[in-house]
Amino acid sequence: DADVTQTPRNRITKTGKRIMLECSQTKGHDRMYWYRQDPGLGLRLIYYSFDVKDINKGEISDGYSVSRQAQAKFSLSLESAIPNQTALYFCATSDRGIHTGELFFGEGSRLTVL
Amino acid sequence: GQNIDQPTEMTATEGAIVQINCTYQTSGFNGLFWYQQHAGEAPTFLSYNVLDGLEEKGRFSSFLSRSKGYSYLLLKELQMKDSASYLCAVLDSNYQLIWGAGTKLIIKP
Repeated sequence: DADVTQTPRNRITKTGKRIMLECSQTKGHDRMYWYRQDPGLGLRLIYYSFDVKDINKGEISDGYSVSRQAQAKFSLSLESAIPNQTALYFCATSDRGIHTGELFFGEGSRLTVL
Repeated sequence: GQNIDQPTEMTATEGAIVQINCTYQTSGFNGLFWYQQHAGEAPTFLSYNVLDGLEEKGRFSSFLSRSKGYSYLLLKELQMKDSASYLCAVLDSNYQLIWGAGTKLIIKP
């Protein structure tokens, strides 16, 4: 089984719908991240959490929200999906300190907003 | 602002050697990372450099020069399975990862 699991893996939805992407991990890491990836662009950070009660905005948080339900779970919500949120979304985890940059990624959730 | 530059695409021949360059300008430096990402899959960690010099790991090596803001990833004895995108990322002074857009490496027989 994967150490970082994302659900759903693929989702097609319509403009205006609420969508939740879920992430769970068995790495025992405190730090969790949500990224989106678009063709030709680098990974862009949406939100990150360094602990259960810690939530921080990344560079592109508008239109998204997150919830850190437990150390192992970090979910991403699109309250009202729009077509330019069509992308590949990755959840990732990392350890602390100098190991922060070594991320362990989930398999990705491909979201299409029509 | 913070910036990481790497070539968009490179082509190399099976069995050959290829060097993928990465230059960076970031607010502080706490390490440089290389990741491999096959099409449609998640990135996976390849290497980490925090001190100047060359780190070798099997067929892959990574070099860092902090004074020049420069790194490269060297892939030897290329195999078809090395066809992937290679992402350069820098951990800045706030321990935030800054990502390059990635270099798509195409291996030809």
